[in-house]
Amino acid sequence: NAGVTQTPKFQVLKTGQSMTLQCAQDMNHEYMSWYRQDPGMGLRLIHYSVGAGITDQGEVPNGYNVSRSTTEDFPLRLLSAAPSQTSVYFCASSYSFLRSDHYGYTFGSGTRLTVV
Amino acid sequence: KNEVEQSPQNLTAQEGEFITINCSYSVGISALHWLQQHPGGGIVSLFMLSSGKKKHGRLIATINIQEKHSSLHITASHPRDSAVYICAVPGNQFYFGTGTSLTVIP
Repeated sequence: NAGVTQTPKFQVLKTGQSMTLQCAQDMNHEYMSWYRQDPGMGLRLIHYSVGAGITDQGEVPNGYNVSRSTTEDFPLRLLSAAPSQTSVYFCASSYSFLRSDHYGYTFGSGTRLTVV
Repeated sequence: KNEVEQSPQNLTAQEGEFITINCSYSVGISALHWLQQHPGGGIVSLFMLSSGKKKHGRLIATINIQEKHSSLHITASHPRDSAVYICAVPGNQFYFGTGTSLTVIP
């Protein structure tokens, strides 16, 4: 089924561990992004990409790395997990960043991450 | 400073009631999105609108670009409408409201 596939759905990490959240879309979307969602704060942008080979920081990029080697994939890496990174993470993509309405904005199902 | 403000934050309604959720924004936009997030679930796009009104089943979304305001209405509300409703405004990035948590009681 076409859409945004995000894995894993749940993850528990120990402080200092590293991991990669995977995000893949098969809709040939240019724009991909990662958000974290915390209670009372809404969705906050971590990193985004407007195409293969192009990434940029969002509102809360510290502690996270991204890369976009292909149009389809946009993994999010936590280099050294901290309890402050306990959150729900969403990947999202849209057809065109150049269109200001972000046509066809689609979210992944989310990853619930706990850092202990 | 919040570019997108939603109200109310929480809303409890009896089944069958007419519901209104409001969204005000400060950034200039060409379109606004209404999203729905079910408990423990993902986020789906309900509407994208740039002017006037859109209707999908019992859901109606309106927008007034001049006043920078949008509303989401639910007619004849049902317990399955219980969810968090989020408005989002695209710009250089997406700006999200903090969401309105709706509970519809049978």
